[in-house]
Amino acid sequence: SAVISQKPSRDICQRGTSLTIQCQVDSQVTMMFWYRQQPGQSLTLIATANQGSEATYESGFVIDKFPISRPNLTFSTLTVSNMSPEDSSIYLCSVGHGDYGYTFGSGTRLTVV
Amino acid sequence: KNEVEQSPQNLTAQEGEFITINCSYSVGISALHWLQQHPGGGIVSLFMLSSGKKKHGRLIATINIQEKHSSLHITASHPRDSAVYICAVRPSGSRLTFGEGTQLTVNP
Repeated sequence: SAVISQKPSRDICQRGTSLTIQCQVDSQVTMMFWYRQQPGQSLTLIATANQGSEATYESGFVIDKFPISRPNLTFSTLTVSNMSPEDSSIYLCSVGHGDYGYTFGSGTRLTVV
Repeated sequence: KNEVEQSPQNLTAQEGEFITINCSYSVGISALHWLQQHPGGGIVSLFMLSSGKKKHGRLIATINIQEKHSSLHITASHPRDSAVYICAVRPSGSRLTFGEGTQLTVNP
C-alpha cells in the first residue's frame, strides 16, 4: 500500500489566518480524500480531490473555506482559511486502493486561538 | 441514529486480557474497515473485511454480513495497544462512513 507524508503534524494558529496542510504520496493515486475530525467526534469527509479537476466538496464544506489543490497524482494540499476556534480539529488525508483498503496520513492537529 | 454504532465507547483493561470491540451497521456494504488511531491523530488501517474472519498477529476481526455486525478482538492485550479503534463501512459505490471510535486503555 501507499505511504503518505503529511505535514505539519500540528500547529497553533491565530484566528483569521490560514493554514495549508500538505500530503505527499509515494505512488500515483487517482483520488485523495480530506477529512476533519473535531474533538471527540468521528471523521467527516471534507472533499475528494482528483488530479486535473475541481475537488468535490461534501455538504457543509465550501471551496472558499477549504480550498484544495491537486497539481499531480502524488500531491495535494488543503488550506483552512480565515480560521476560527471552531476549526480546531485533526485534519487527515487518505488514499484508497480499491479492493485493498485505505491509507491515511499521520494527521495535522490544528488549534486556533 | 448513526449508520455505524460502536460499543463500548471506552474500555479499560489490564495487560494480558482478551478484548472485544463491537461494530453494528445499518446499511448494505461492500466492505468494513477497522482502523487504529494513535494519540497524535494518525490512523493505521488494520483490516478490510467483506466476509468471514481475518487475523494479523494478536488481532482478529470477524464480520457477519447477515447480522450487519463485526467484532475486533485483541488477544493478550498490551499497553501499546492503547489507542482509539474505529469501525468504518463503505456502502456500495459510496464513501466511507465512520463510527465514533472506541477508546481503549490497557494498563500494565
